[in-house]
Amino acid sequence: DADVTQTPRNRITKTGKRIMLECSQTKGHDRMYWYRQDPGLGLQLIYYSFDVKDINKGEISDGYSVSRQAQAKFSLSLESAIPNQTALYFCATSGSGTGELFFGEGSRLTVL
Amino acid sequence: KQEVTQIPAALSVPEGENLVLNCSFTDSAIYNLQWFRQDPGKGLTSLLLIQSSQREQTSGRLNASLDKSSGRSTLYIAASQPGDSATYLCAVTGNTPLVFGKGTRLSVIA
Repeated sequence: DADVTQTPRNRITKTGKRIMLECSQTKGHDRMYWYRQDPGLGLQLIYYSFDVKDINKGEISDGYSVSRQAQAKFSLSLESAIPNQTALYFCATSGSGTGELFFGEGSRLTVL
Repeated sequence: KQEVTQIPAALSVPEGENLVLNCSFTDSAIYNLQWFRQDPGKGLTSLLLIQSSQREQTSGRLNASLDKSSGRSTLYIAASQPGDSATYLCAVTGNTPLVFGKGTRLSVIA
């Protein structure tokens, strides 16, 4: 089983719908992140959390919210999806030691 | 604001060639630098992590170097193989979480 698991892996939805992407990890890391990847733009940080009670905005947080339900779970929500949120979304984790980042396989979201 | 640049954006080489991928960053106050590999439509696989106190790291045919003072890192791939074809990304951590470059897309031709 993967150390960082994202669900769903693929989702097609319509404009205005609420969408939740979930991430769970078995690495025992305190730090979790959500990134978005668009062709030609690279990876952009949406939100990050250094522990269960800590939530921080990244560079592109508008239109997104997150919930850190437990050390191992970090979910990303789009309250009202719009077409320009069509992208590949990645969850990642890191420990507080070296800070090495480990990624999930990604969730491909298409908003029609 | 930290900015990370990777040059070239794309590279095509014949099998067996040694090659160097470049990464530069604007703020030298970093904690570490990480190199990743990404296959099309897939997640990112960590290749090498260099902490700020280190100058280089090696794993198999891969060697990554770090020069904080000049804001540069290189990833050296020896004896390239078609299976090395992928996008390679570097990312740096400083006072904020990892900032990524846009990657170098490598094609190794058999």
